[in-house]
Amino acid sequence: GIQVEQSPPDLILQEGANSTLRCNFSDSVNNLQWFHQNPWGQLINLFYIPSGTKQNGRLSATTVATERYSLLYISSSQTTDSGVYFCAVGDRGSTLGRLYFGRGTQLTVWP
Amino acid sequence: DAGVTQSPTHLIKTRGQQVTLRCSPKSGHDTVSWYQQALGQGPQFIFQYYEEEERQRGNFPDRFSGHQFPNYSSELNVNALLLGDSALYLCASNHRVLGIEKLFFGSGTQLSVL
Repeated sequence: GIQVEQSPPDLILQEGANSTLRCNFSDSVNNLQWFHQNPWGQLINLFYIPSGTKQNGRLSATTVATERYSLLYISSSQTTDSGVYFCAVGDRGSTLGRLYFGRGTQLTVWP
Repeated sequence: DAGVTQSPTHLIKTRGQQVTLRCSPKSGHDTVSWYQQALGQGPQFIFQYYEEEERQRGNFPDRFSGHQFPNYSSELNVNALLLGDSALYLCASNHRVLGIEKLFFGSGTQLSVL
């Protein structure tokens, strides 16, 4: 299966700071999603972004499929942004529901 | 509109026992996928069900089996539990026909094997 690497593994910020999370993947993909996992384990879908750029409030994401990476930007971070951010991809032989996840970036935002 | 619901939320079993976890997909979704998330790791795909059949399977032994019912709800069964099966088990749903690209996850079942 596809290998997914996320960096950095841990990130500690003060409220109001900006951050960039990176996801590298090892092969062509037909699906790329970013998730936020809260402290209670709930995975929330942030973006479906196999290519291009999308924005949703303080969050935005860019995927450069030809170079096999995606970036998640968080601006003006808040304490509620804390949690683990996962990048997950689907390869061309898989159905939609089969995703390969990275190990995540643990984000901690201090007041 | 209810999201993906899973039960139970927590479960404690001993080695060698069998366990059944349950999932109801988001309204309008007909495809259910199961994932295992060990502590400190990303979720790993177990298998997917559509039209009551297993469509794809990840690298998990036959001790892991599943079922999908006509109302699209699903069960995950694990036999002969091992200590290493302790994990958060997540269910996700999507609508295959309409091609809804996002996966929606439940809150998971935390399984502890002692």
